Amino acid sequence: DGGITQSPKYLFRKEGQNVTLSCEQNLNHDAMYWYRQDPGQGLRLIYYSQIVNDFQKGDIAEGYSVSREKKESFPLTVTSAQKNPTAFYLCASSNYYEQYFGPGTRLTVT
Amino acid sequence: GESVGLHLPTLSVQEGDNSIINCAYSNSASDYFIWYKQESGKGPQFIIDIRSNMDKRQGQRVTVLLNKTVKHLSLQIAATQPGDSAVYFCAENSGGSNYKLTFGKGTLLTVNP
Repeated sequence: DGGITQSPKYLFRKEGQNVTLSCEQNLNHDAMYWYRQDPGQGLRLIYYSQIVNDFQKGDIAEGYSVSREKKESFPLTVTSAQKNPTAFYLCASSNYYEQYFGPGTRLTVT
Repeated sequence: GESVGLHLPTLSVQEGDNSIINCAYSNSASDYFIWYKQESGKGPQFIIDIRSNMDKRQGQRVTVLLNKTVKHLSLQIAATQPGDSAVYFCAENSGGSNYKLTFGKGTLLTVNP
């Protein structure tokens, strides 16, 4: 099956801890993305990467970090500096305009 | 900055009726538009797309209309079914970007049996 996998589906953390969300794709796409979605809201871009070993900040990058060491993988770290980390996080990939999304990870920080 | 927005945040229809979901965009440099469907707790799924050199495109039970004069996009769903209940997002390619999409806030479609 080709697609994007995100793990885990649900994640719980204590305030002050860093947490890393996994995103893997086997679509051979060059570009990968991380979005944040809050209840009743649209998708806001956190980071994106057009090629391995390169990535750019999106609209809400503060408090987040990423790496792109492999074409297939684009992990997102939510750091303790992120003031409101509880949200639904979506990873996507593309080779051009159309983005394919993973199932999402719901992060709850208490 | 310029952004994509939606006229109606919620839409309730009867099963079998046609649904129309609207979207306004303001970035005249955008030349690609896409509609996604997102069911509760899942990632968005591609429905249909359209390029700016077209004003209409049809898929299976769905039609997208693009009016560049008034910067308006709509998604028409024919014979709406309960399985169509979801949030629908429009997105534009951020002023002509090859990679970045800007998403609207979404419209919640509820189909009543």
